[in-house]
Amino acid sequence: DAGVIQSPRHEVTEMGQEVTLRCKPISGHNSLFWYRQTMMRGLELLIYFNNNVPIDDSGMPEDRFSAKMPNASFSTLKIQPSEPRDSAVYFCASSFLSGTVEQYFGPGTRLTVT
Amino acid sequence: GIQVEQSPPDLILQEGANSTLRCNFSDSVNNLQWFHQNPWGQLINLFYIPSGTKQNGRLSATTVATERYSLLYISSSQTTDSGVYFCAGISNFGNEKLTFGTGTRLTIIP
Repeated sequence: DAGVIQSPRHEVTEMGQEVTLRCKPISGHNSLFWYRQTMMRGLELLIYFNNNVPIDDSGMPEDRFSAKMPNASFSTLKIQPSEPRDSAVYFCASSFLSGTVEQYFGPGTRLTVT
Repeated sequence: GIQVEQSPPDLILQEGANSTLRCNFSDSVNNLQWFHQNPWGQLINLFYIPSGTKQNGRLSATTVATERYSLLYISSSQTTDSGVYFCAGISNFGNEKLTFGTGTRLTIIP
């Protein structure tokens, strides 16, 4: 079975542009998580969904960030407008909602905002 | 939320050496996981170990849930073991937020 799939793997954009990151969770998993990794703050949870419903978005830095999960196999994280301080690696992870809730991570998207 | 402390922050070892990495939690956790972030940035699942002991090849892990710590053992280190090792857990009293430690950077010298 394929793991968590993220696209693009690398994104370079100019300040002020809109950025959309995409994630496909592992088939059958019903929880999806977006994380951000920076040198200063390490790995931090931005938002997570259970059964496509956003549960906790308290980690989203500000209103420029939004996330959606229109169906069980697809999620997006959008930054509009982007700023240089948004440069980071963004990871998507998925797990089962109950039972063994081990999270599996995608390869990440390295975002650079110039 | 919970605090996750990892030690040591950095470790440099000769190939073939053994090592022990430690993870302390400020509160009771479940869903305790160990990850290896390789030099390409990928987060690789090593263990899902809320309690007890597990082994996988040269790696093993032990979690003592009542004392809120976990240990990762690496035996006969290889250069491919280099990278950053993270532990992460979810508080028993919170939601499903996985909180990460700051990691242990392991460098294996040939």
